[in-house]
Amino acid sequence: GQNIDQPTEMTATEGAIVQINCTYQTSGFNGLFWYQQHAGEAPTFLSYNVLDGLEEKGRFSSFLSRSKGYSYLLLKELQMKDSASYLCAVRTSGTYKYIFGTGTRLKVLA
Amino acid sequence: GAVVSQHPSWVICKSGTSVKIECRSLDFQATTMFWYRQFPKQSLMLMATSNEGSKATYEQGVEKDKFLINHASLTLSTLTVTSAHPEDSSFYICSARPGPTNEKLFFGSGTQLSVL
Repeated sequence: GQNIDQPTEMTATEGAIVQINCTYQTSGFNGLFWYQQHAGEAPTFLSYNVLDGLEEKGRFSSFLSRSKGYSYLLLKELQMKDSASYLCAVRTSGTYKYIFGTGTRLKVLA
Repeated sequence: GAVVSQHPSWVICKSGTSVKIECRSLDFQATTMFWYRQFPKQSLMLMATSNEGSKATYEQGVEKDKFLINHASLTLSTLTVTSAHPEDSSFYICSARPGPTNEKLFFGSGTQLSVL
C-alpha cells in the first residue's frame, strides 16, 4: 500500500526557520515533490527531489534520503504569507501516479 | 509555467442531479490528467488517472459509475458526478503534467461542489 506521513500542524514565528518532515512507503519511487496550498486554492509547486541530497531554491530547501524513505522541506526567514498547508507527494514508478501525503498546516505567528 | 483551467469554480446542485467539471490544459498537451478530491483540512486523495483516448484508471474504492471521466482530447478531461448526493460534496481538483521531460504537476483552481 501507499503511506505518506507528515505532521498535521506546526507553528513557527516570523523570521524563524521551520522543518517539515515527510516519511513515505510506496510501491516504487520516481521522485518526491513539495507543494504549497493556501486555503481554497490550488497547490503550487515548490520543489522536486529524485536523487538523495539537498535542493535549494531561495528561502526553500528540500532534502531526500531514498534509503530511509524520508524527506524534509526547510523554510527560512519565515513570513506571514508562508502560513499555508504543505503537501509532500511521491510519484510512483511504473504507473507514474502522484500520491499526496497527509499535509502539514503551518501557522506563522508575528 | 503551464496553465490548467478548471470550471466551474463552485457549483451547488440538488441531490440526484449530475454535475460536470471540465479541466483544460491551455498551453500544452496532456496525455494524462489526474483527478483528486479534497475534504476540508485534509490532503488530496487521488480518485483516478485520466488517459487521452482510453478508459480512466480508478483508485481502489472510487466508483467508476459514480464518477465518470472522459478524456476526449489532449487538452480536455471531464469529471461527471452522477446522481450526486450530499456525501459527494467536496473540493475536486484536476492536474496535468506537460510532458515526459517535465516532472511537475500543474493544478487547476479546483471546484467546490455542494449537494443539497
